[in-house]
Amino acid sequence: ETGVTQTPRHLVMGMTNKKSLKCEQHLGHNAMYWYKQSAKKPLELMFVYSLEERVENNSVPSRFSPECPNSSHLFLHLHTLQPEDSALYLCASSQSRAGSSGNTIYFGEGSWLTVV
Amino acid sequence: QKEVEQNSGPLSVPEGAIASLNCTYSDRGSQSFFWYRQYSGKSPELIMFIYSNGDKEDGRFTAQLNKASQYVSLLIRDSQPSDSATYLCAVRHRNQAGTALIFGKGTTLSVSS
Repeated sequence: ETGVTQTPRHLVMGMTNKKSLKCEQHLGHNAMYWYKQSAKKPLELMFVYSLEERVENNSVPSRFSPECPNSSHLFLHLHTLQPEDSALYLCASSQSRAGSSGNTIYFGEGSWLTVV
Repeated sequence: QKEVEQNSGPLSVPEGAIASLNCTYSDRGSQSFFWYRQYSGKSPELIMFIYSNGDKEDGRFTAQLNKASQYVSLLIRDSQPSDSATYLCAVRHRNQAGTALIFGKGTTLSVSS
């Protein structure tokens, strides 16, 4: 079992659907992230939660809505997505200590999203 | 605009050779640098991190950092076919929490037997 688990691993949804991606970390971390990985593009940071507070939102369209009910769980709610939103969505976690250089981000296996 | 630049490759090396992967970054204030490996269809996994100028060695891997030149590299000695993957350079992003990483596009490495 990995330290960061994501479900579902694969999701196909229509543009009018509402779905959610779920992430759970078992590492005792207090920071969690959503990244998007599309072909030919770098990993894009979408959202950062630290101590359950959203500390960053990188100009992500409102059709993506994150939720962090506690430090172990993170959701990404999806609504009226576009085909160009098809990508691998990666959840990650780390220990949040300002100034600590070695804090490493650990990724889940990702959720492959296809919007049709 | 904070950026991390990598040559996308592919970089092809024969088995047993040294593979050299390079990365430059734009934010001069960046403090921590990471190398991740990503196999096709898999999520990134950490190889090593470095935050002091100079070299850091871990087994067959050596990370090199030159903050004055805003340059970080990864050397893989005695390359193996199992090293064939995409290597992602990442720089710590100084957001409010001080934790997130900004990634380059990655360099694809192919090691031929």
